[in-house]
Amino acid sequence: DTEVTQTPKHLVMGMTNKKSLKCEQHMGHRAMYWYKQKAKKPPELMFVYSYEKLSINESVPSRFSPECPNSSLLNLHLHALQPEDSALYLCASSPGASGVSYNEQFFGPGTRLTVL
Amino acid sequence: QQPVQSPQAVILREGEDAVINCSSSKALYSVHWYRQKHGEAPVFLMILLKGGEQKGHDKISASFNEKKQQSSLYLTASQLSYSGTYFCGTANSGGYQKVTFGTGTKLQVIP
Repeated sequence: DTEVTQTPKHLVMGMTNKKSLKCEQHMGHRAMYWYKQKAKKPPELMFVYSYEKLSINESVPSRFSPECPNSSLLNLHLHALQPEDSALYLCASSPGASGVSYNEQFFGPGTRLTVL
Repeated sequence: QQPVQSPQAVILREGEDAVINCSSSKALYSVHWYRQKHGEAPVFLMILLKGGEQKGHDKISASFNEKKQQSSLYLTASQLSYSGTYFCGTANSGGYQKVTFGTGTKLQVIP
């Protein structure tokens, strides 16, 4: 299995809702990432998990809460989002050899989020 | 701090060659290249490490000038399937898995 899966593909939520995005990989990768991508813009890093521990938080607002229950699974919990949070949310994984940043990242298809 | 790519957009006829440049204001440890087709996820193409190590991909190659903090992606004999937006991604150290994506280059290959 050489792919990263994300669910749901599309999500529409109100500003008072609580929802979660899910990402899964079965390649044995030990690093997992959340990116946010606006239309016609590059992906922006949000969070990095390395060996199931949060390694990087790019000053993301607390209304986004990541979780890594195990080495194959990554969640992004959403609460009280704003319309400007509407974007494509991409998950990625990489082999994650400790201390090295050259590993290629495998991206999932993304969740297109709309906040009303 | 975001790497700057040039050109912003390019149109090629099948069989033509193209060069996409990526320039950073910071010292680079590695450079990644990805292609993203419309409505799809980015796909890894290539990685170049400080010191010259490189992984290749078919008719696509790249160079990495550490002193100038620049990388170039070379697409030879372009095919229709090469169309998409190309992003470079740069890492400034080897300590973490942090890659900052460049501004992007939209490439369209026409028959």
